[in-house]
Amino acid sequence: QVQMVQSGAEVKTPGASVKVSCRTSGYTFNRYGITWVRQAPGQGLEWMGWISPSNANTHHAQKFQGRLTMTTDTSTSTANMELRSLRSDDTAVYYCARDLSIPGSSINWGQGTLVTVSS
Amino acid sequence: QSALTQPPSASGSPGQSVTISCTGTSSDVGGYNYVSWFQQHPGKAPKLMIYEVSKRPSGVPDRFSGSKSGNTASLSVSGLQAEDEADYYCSSYAGNNNWMFGGGTKLTVL
Repeated sequence: QVQMVQSGAEVKTPGASVKVSCRTSGYTFNRYGITWVRQAPGQGLEWMGWISPSNANTHHAQKFQGRLTMTTDTSTSTANMELRSLRSDDTAVYYCARDLSIPGSSINWGQGTLVTVSS
Repeated sequence: QSALTQPPSASGSPGQSVTISCTGTSSDVGGYNYVSWFQQHPGKAPKLMIYEVSKRPSGVPDRFSGSKSGNTASLSVSGLQAEDEADYYCSSYAGNNNWMFGGGTKLTVL
């Protein structure tokens, strides 16, 4: 079955960078997009961006312009998300998800990775 | 861009029906048939319940249905069950390769 396994929790200081990995299995990695979503403590979901593993095309929310990099490694069926210049309001659970068809149809989700930004 | 507007809470008794709304604009909900609904239990990852306004992924009970009229999308849950108690989020394509979520609705089964 489809599995999305994310890397473990991270604690970072303001200004640092964090990289979250999402190792996938159970489907043909190149055929489906990967969406990244985050959720601050007690808050709602926030769409961050999307990457197509087949051609590495990416789209991201404007608010992350210049700070967000999404990549994929087709040899290991892994997606990665790097967020730079971290601030305290970047503290959140970060999720990767496989899209069923288009970016809004995220059908299989990782378990989430808590990133805490604190001095 | 502001988040899509959802009521903070909704409730119903077991066996009843409830509808959750998701209001956007002609630039998002009203402009595209790309509305999805997600269910999230506390401490868990979201689960896709509806996509492309009214399509149900395999395994989602047919008690869950989606629709759209103008700039407002709706998720209807019939025959409420205790396990339906969760947070529900809508999302919509907003043009220019952007997507947005609603603020979420906490559904309580009384």
